[in-house]
Amino acid sequence: DVKVTQSSRYLVKRTGEKVFLECVQDMDHENMFWYRQDPGLGLRLIYFSYDVKMKEKGDIPEGYSVSREKKERFSLILESASTNQTSMYLCASTPSGRTSSEQYFGPGTRLTVT
Amino acid sequence: AQSVTQLGSHVSVSEGALVLLRCNYSSSVPPYLFWYVQYPNQGLQLLLKYTSAATLVKGINGFEAEFKKSETSFHLTKPSAHMRDAAEYFCAVSDRGSARQLTFGSGTQLTVLP
Repeated sequence: DVKVTQSSRYLVKRTGEKVFLECVQDMDHENMFWYRQDPGLGLRLIYFSYDVKMKEKGDIPEGYSVSREKKERFSLILESASTNQTSMYLCASTPSGRTSSEQYFGPGTRLTVT
Repeated sequence: AQSVTQLGSHVSVSEGALVLLRCNYSSSVPPYLFWYVQYPNQGLQLLLKYTSAATLVKGINGFEAEFKKSETSFHLTKPSAHMRDAAEYFCAVSDRGSARQLTFGSGTQLTVLP
């Protein structure tokens, strides 16, 4: 089974702090994604990566950056956390090649910024 | 740009009743379509996907969905609801040309009444 893990299930940070969210997948997938989930808005794509050291902006990249130094690990960075970044963050991965493949999701990190 | 519309942010059904969750997409060519389920405090789990092999797709937990090109719809159904089906359901679409990315609907919260 594909396994996608996220470093924390719950996180509380203060405004202005630098926040790191980490995601690891164990299926050698090329593509990895970061979404945020807010009530009534569904999932919105923040960034994705299709290879090591490669990244592309999604729909809402402002206030976020990412890092992918190893194939299995994709990190989301909030340079200076703000209260409007309080949300559920979901990581996902999918292999390249089979364009019909679904994305596999981690359990999510619920981040609260106070 | 693609979009997905899920009609009804909240749906309530009685245990044993038919479940119908609606999803309409906008795309110039038939896309790949997915239904995911999210149980409380968990990540997203794939229920089923349409990749053009058959218009009626059967998924896990007794769910199925029918792709109707003329109506640009991919509604999710289950003949008889169980209490354990209470969850949030997301419809998603991907472009065949760039199937690494998914566009999600805003979600439908299903409540099952005893």
